[in-house]
Amino acid sequence: NAGVMQNPRHLVRRRGQEARLRCSPVKGHSHVYWYRQLPEEGLKFMVYLQKENIIDESGMPKERFSAEFPKEGPSILRIQQVVRGDSAAYFCASSPPGALGYTFGSGTRLTVV
Amino acid sequence: QKEVEQNSGPLSVPEGAIASLNCTYSDRVSQSFFWYRQYSGKSPELIMSIYSNGDKEDGRFTAQLNKASQYVSLLIRDSQPSDSATYLCAVNPPRGYSTLTFGKGTMLLVSP
Repeated sequence: NAGVMQNPRHLVRRRGQEARLRCSPVKGHSHVYWYRQLPEEGLKFMVYLQKENIIDESGMPKERFSAEFPKEGPSILRIQQVVRGDSAAYFCASSPPGALGYTFGSGTRLTVV
Repeated sequence: QKEVEQNSGPLSVPEGAIASLNCTYSDRVSQSFFWYRQYSGKSPELIMSIYSNGDKEDGRFTAQLNKASQYVSLLIRDSQPSDSATYLCAVNPPRGYSTLTFGKGTMLLVSP
């Protein structure tokens, strides 16, 4: 039973490019959470999604960032026109409905050059 | 006002000692509390959860919760060098969802 799968593990983008981060939840989990960890900072909540619905995006920057969790396929976190300040580790977690204390994937480390 | 506060450390303890990690939170109505361990360059790993006042033990780990003082702690008995990591305290805020607010973490160093 595979855990939360994230890819790519490492992603390098030039300023102004788009970054697409993918997250496949644990099989049967319908809830996905995205967190960002900046250097020397704690984990910060970004967005909480259920299949085809954004439940809470209060932690996501208003511009350039978007997320989706389609009926089929992985959840996608998209960052348009990346800037150096977007360089961070992006972690995804999944859970069944009502669960707390979920498990994180291995993360995507984004570097903007 | 920071929502979840932890001493950044590092907290240095010798092998075999008890390591005590502390966390305070600001939202009095928070109900669920978690400790995650994060090795350098890795993802956070859930090690303990606690929901009611008192102690909860799991192997060498004991979580303690005092809601009146808005304080949660993690004790690690018989500390091992492999316990050296950053420990993140997380709180489930009263939004009605399963989102977590994390502290910045305390780095623990266990010397052989």
